[in-house]
Amino acid sequence: NAGVMQNPRHLVRRRGQEARLRCSPMKGHSHVYWYRQLPEEGLKFMVYLQKENIIDESGMPKERFSAEFPKEGPSILRIQQVVRGDSAAYFCASSPTAAYQETQYFGPGTRLLVL
Amino acid sequence: AQSVTQLGSHVSVSEGALVLLRCNYSSSVPPYLFWYVQYPNQGLQLLLKYTTGATLVKGINGFEAEFKKSETSFHLTKPSAHMSDAAEYFCAVSKSGSARQLTFGSGTQLTVLP
Repeated sequence: NAGVMQNPRHLVRRRGQEARLRCSPMKGHSHVYWYRQLPEEGLKFMVYLQKENIIDESGMPKERFSAEFPKEGPSILRIQQVVRGDSAAYFCASSPTAAYQETQYFGPGTRLLVL
Repeated sequence: AQSVTQLGSHVSVSEGALVLLRCNYSSSVPPYLFWYVQYPNQGLQLLLKYTTGATLVKGINGFEAEFKKSETSFHLTKPSAHMSDAAEYFCAVSKSGSARQLTFGSGTQLTVLP
């Protein structure tokens, strides 16, 4: 059973460009979570999605950031007009159910560098 | 709001020595507790978790953790450190309520000295 897949693994963008990060959950998982890890910090929750629905986006910045998880295809985290402060590692996790004690399985992350 | 505190951002132990990584949480309701390990440039891998039942939880790679409600702690231990244990370790908590997000501590970087 393949794990959570994320691509690209590394992404370089110039200020003002758009960044698109993709996440394919584990087979059979319909719950996806995005986290951001700034340098020297722990992971911070951004958004929780189920297929075609955003369930909790309380950790998402109000502007420039959006996420989707379409019926077909991977989940996408989109950052418009990137700034240097967006440089971070972005991790996607998935779980088979929404139970609070359920394990979240993490992908390898996308490391975004904004020049 | 719940929070997680990991005491000691860097811990160094000698190979073969006891590993003790500290985690304290604040939560108004019984939490679910997790320890994850992150190797350089990789994602997080679950070491162990506490949900209900036995308070001493055994995980992979010889790690274990004990949930102590009275101390609001979930410290991670391993009797004998291996060089391969060098990594960053994160404690995390989730609890029932409206959010299914994990709240992470700031992490502890473990160095194993030969």
